[in-house]
Formats: sequence, C-alpha cells, structure tokens
Amino acid sequence: DQQVKQNSPSLSVQEGRISILNCDYTNSMFDYFLWYKKYPAEGPTFLISISSIKDKNEDGRFTVFLNKSAKHLSLHIVPSQPGDSAVYFCAASRASGSRLTFGEGTQLTVNP
Amino acid sequence: GAVVSQHPSRVICKSGTSVKIECRSLDFQATTMFWYRQFPKKSLMLMATSNEGSKATYEQGVEKDKFLINHASLTLSTLTVTSAHPEDSSFYICSARRERWDTQYFGPGTRLTVL
Repeated sequence: DQQVKQNSPSLSVQEGRISILNCDYTNSMFDYFLWYKKYPAEGPTFLISISSIKDKNEDGRFTVFLNKSAKHLSLHIVPSQPGDSAVYFCAASRASGSRLTFGEGTQLTVNP
Repeated sequence: GAVVSQHPSRVICKSGTSVKIECRSLDFQATTMFWYRQFPKKSLMLMATSNEGSKATYEQGVEKDKFLINHASLTLSTLTVTSAHPEDSSFYICSARRERWDTQYFGPGTRLTVL
C-alpha cells in the first residue's frame, strides 16, 4: 500500500521557469511533510518541510504548499536552475522526527 | 552542522559472507538512527529504527537475524548484512536525528553488490 505517491516519475523544465513537483498521500494521520533532494549514489538532502497547521512554507526559491482536504502537497522551485536537476522525494510522517514514509520520487531535469 | 557519514561507500562481496556498514553522525549526537534500503528507481524503504542503547525496531518483512543493527553510541550505528545473497544487493542509506522532533539527516549511502 503506497501511502505517499508521486505520480510523475519525471519532469523537465527550462532554466528560469517554475518547477512544480506534486505529491499525494492517503493516510490522514500524516501531519508533517518534507521534501528531499537526491543525487545519484548520494543520500537525500533535506530541502523544506511543512506541518499540517500551515498551508504554505517558503525558503528562498523553494515553496511547499499543503492542501489537507485534498491530501496533496506540492513543491515549487522558482526560478529553476540546472543545479536543481535531481530526484525529489516527498515524505510524510505522523509528527516531526517520526518515521518517514517516502514517495517514489520525481526526476527533475532543468535544461539550460 | 548535521553531517552524517557512511562507510564504506560501496562494497562488493561474495555470496555467503557478512558485510558491516557504519553510520556516523559527525557533528551531533543522534538519539535515533534509521536504516533504509533503496532499489533502483524505487522509493526509500525503512528497514529499522534504532535508539542508542536499545534494540532496534524492525519494519514488517525485514529479517532481524539477517540485518543486524547495533547502535552502541550516540554517534555510531552499524548494519550487518549476514550471509549475504545476490538479492541483498541494494543501496543502503542511514539517517540520524538529534531529538525526537528533529528532521532526519541522511548519510551518503552504501552500494552493496553481492556476487
């Protein structure tokens, strides 16, 4: 049972444009959500998180939006840069620091 | 801050041998460490959670006698794959957190290939 889903395995955008990565979850007990970035043969790097009491969290070029009623979150990267090319994982937990459930990942490619 | 290292970064071993992978938190004390496994083009699957000084909690379907986890100190956890077989070949990643409510910080991963 895949409780966290990233339905787009890949996304390609032009440098300078917006990248929007989507994530859906099924477990209503999840109340803390994170995005990680991963390069090949490396561990995931934490990007940004959001708790269920918020609907938006922003950190520089990265903004995460949470729609609890739709059980949907998204990561916006503006402007996209070639160095952003990586696999992005969405993760969810019942509380900050608790065990994480990951989505399958979306490969983002930012073209110069 | 919050740097996690793993050693070795890659290992090749013969079927039937045991392999130990180390996970270290370099600049913080980790009360909890997690071990994940990632198959090609798949998500990270949590294998077990280990708290310093106590037995690891394994996820359903993970054989505790095959994947031995030791969290002997606040900066070191080890995963030993015993009697490794080719199907154990995978990318193993650890993560660590400082406090209960802290974000998990991941190590760079270890690529295990069993011949």
